Amino acid sequence: KAGVTQTPRYLIKTRGQQVTLSCSPISGHRSVSWYQQTPGQGLQFLFEYFSETQRNKGNFPGRFSGRQFSNSRSEMNVSTLELGDSALYLCASSSTTGFGANVLTFGAGSRLTVL
Amino acid sequence: AQKITQTQPGMFVQEKEAVTLDCTYDTSDQSYGLFWYKQPSSGEMIFLIYQGSYDEQNATEGRYSLNFQKARKSANLVISASQLGDSAMYFCAMRVGLGGYNKLIFGAGTRLAVHP
Repeated sequence: KAGVTQTPRYLIKTRGQQVTLSCSPISGHRSVSWYQQTPGQGLQFLFEYFSETQRNKGNFPGRFSGRQFSNSRSEMNVSTLELGDSALYLCASSSTTGFGANVLTFGAGSRLTVL
Repeated sequence: AQKITQTQPGMFVQEKEAVTLDCTYDTSDQSYGLFWYKQPSSGEMIFLIYQGSYDEQNATEGRYSLNFQKARKSANLVISASQLGDSAMYFCAMRVGLGGYNKLIFGAGTRLAVHP
């Protein structure tokens, strides 16, 4: 069974640009959530999507947005990039029944550097 | 406020010995789940073990066990017979509420180094 796939793995952008990150969940998983990891703030929840609907959102500015497609693949977008957006962005997927609902499986992350 | 506290920034252990990584949590909710994840230098978060707030038995998964003390609000991870491949960052996390919502609150992490 393929794991959670995130693309691109590494990218470099400059301030003011925008970026789109992609996440393909494990087959059959309908929940996709996104996390930002930085040395200063640690791991912080961005948002969660389930069946193309955002059902939970963290405390991030509106520059951070996301969406989920009918095949459960998800994208997150960051507009008007700032230096502080440099981070590892992790995507996680989860099934929706039984014990599976309690376990998030993470991808390897997309490492964004903003210059 | 919901919070996870990991007070050990770094830990060292000799290969084949056991090690305990501390985690305390704070929540007023009765229903919650506690997780431990391992993050090697590659960046991927690897699920290790889960404990539900209503589970009476401590969770175990191979060499990993979770020492759950509800009254003290602690959920320490015990790794028995440490291996060199156990060297990584370890994160304790909490999910609050029902419905399978997947917002996890993470602690700051503990970096474990296993020496031969």
